[in-house]
Amino acid sequence: QKEVEQNSGPLSVPEGAIASLNCTYSDRGSQSFFWYRQYSGKSPELIMFIYSNGDKEDGRFTAQLNKASQYVSLLIRDSQPSDSATYLCAVGYGQNFVFGPGTRLSVLP
Amino acid sequence: SQTIHQWPATLVQPVGSPLSLECTVEGTSNPNLYWYRQAAGRGLQLLFYSVGIGQISSEVPQNLSASRPQDRQFILSSKKLLLSDSGFYLCAWSAERNIQYFGAGTRLSVL
Repeated sequence: QKEVEQNSGPLSVPEGAIASLNCTYSDRGSQSFFWYRQYSGKSPELIMFIYSNGDKEDGRFTAQLNKASQYVSLLIRDSQPSDSATYLCAVGYGQNFVFGPGTRLSVLP
Repeated sequence: SQTIHQWPATLVQPVGSPLSLECTVEGTSNPNLYWYRQAAGRGLQLLFYSVGIGQISSEVPQNLSASRPQDRQFILSSKKLLLSDSGFYLCAWSAERNIQYFGAGTRLSVL
């Protein structure tokens, strides 16, 4: 059984702070890792993907992957109220994904 | 560029009625196609995926079925809806690198 776990939150951070979202997965065979943002009532949109150990940066977002610890995280720098959403971690197994339950982030003005 | 269309956006159906949700993708050939369901406040559950015309894999037992009559068309169906079928239905596609992109979704309420 492939599992992906996330803290459901809500995670509250003040505007301008760094938000740190975490995800763990059960299957060491996982090769690809994704973060999606989902606003209430909307469909998920891709933020970042990462395949190799280490950090990957894209604007205010940094994805971090540690395959030995089976851990992937998303850092959001200079958090804005518009970042308030649910963040879904997805782990790829071949052509399919397993999604975590999501972490709800609230950025307070 | 690639786009994915999903309709209708909202649907209210009585228990026992049939269902047909359609998804089409433009701008790519031979995509992998996926149907997910998201219950209120929950994560995404993979229902079906397809790697080609007529090739459907089911992930969970249910009263739903899927078909892929054309390369870029994916249909989710039911002969008789149950109350438990209510949820947010999402179609997604992927191509190279297996990155999945989602349609706008259909919110289904079964009453």
